[in-house]
Amino acid sequence: NAGVTQTPKFRILKIGQSMTLQCTQDMNHNYMYWYRQDPGMGLKLIYYSVGAGITDKGEVPNGYNVSRSTTEDFPLRLELAAPSQTSVYFCASSYPGQGAPFFGQGTRLTVV
Amino acid sequence: AQTVTQSQPEMSVQEAETVTLSCTYDTSESDYYLFWYKQPPSRQMILVIRQEAYKQQNATENRFSVNFQKAAKSFSLKISDSQLGDAAMYFCAYSGYGNKLVFGAGTILRVKS
Repeated sequence: NAGVTQTPKFRILKIGQSMTLQCTQDMNHNYMYWYRQDPGMGLKLIYYSVGAGITDKGEVPNGYNVSRSTTEDFPLRLELAAPSQTSVYFCASSYPGQGAPFFGQGTRLTVV
Repeated sequence: AQTVTQSQPEMSVQEAETVTLSCTYDTSESDYYLFWYKQPPSRQMILVIRQEAYKQQNATENRFSVNFQKAAKSFSLKISDSQLGDAAMYFCAYSGYGNKLVFGAGTILRVKS
């Protein structure tokens, strides 16, 4: 049972490039989330999804897009990367009403 | 919107002693969960303990326990018999309607041998 898997673990992007952060979970969780963690800070919600085909913005959605075509996968797309998007990105999933999401290992992204 | 405040950026504890990390939160919801997550240098987010707001009894997990004061909106974490492996960043988090976690800024815990 792999839990929540994120790829890649590390990535360096140039300003203006695009990329997709992959996230997949094998726990059949309805809810999935993307968070970012800036150095020395807590996690901030970018986007979330309560099920396949349903997504919604979190606290810091600008510069990102998501899709949820299946229960298992929740990719995060960065268009036109900017230095302000340098951060560690976490994907998480949970059952509704049970509170505690399970987190992936995170992706460290640097935009130069 | 819900907010979570951790007023201690950094704490230190001697090995085998007890330390308490503070957390306060603000919400108008009556049904919610509170959590403490541990983040070691590996950056993995590890659930330490959870508390359902409707339960008056404080949660306990081995050496970790909480002091949940619902009226005061306070949720502190007590670590007993501290070990070197407890050194990490600790985050307090709130989850209400929609299961979206709101995090505090974190407290770095250092354990001295």
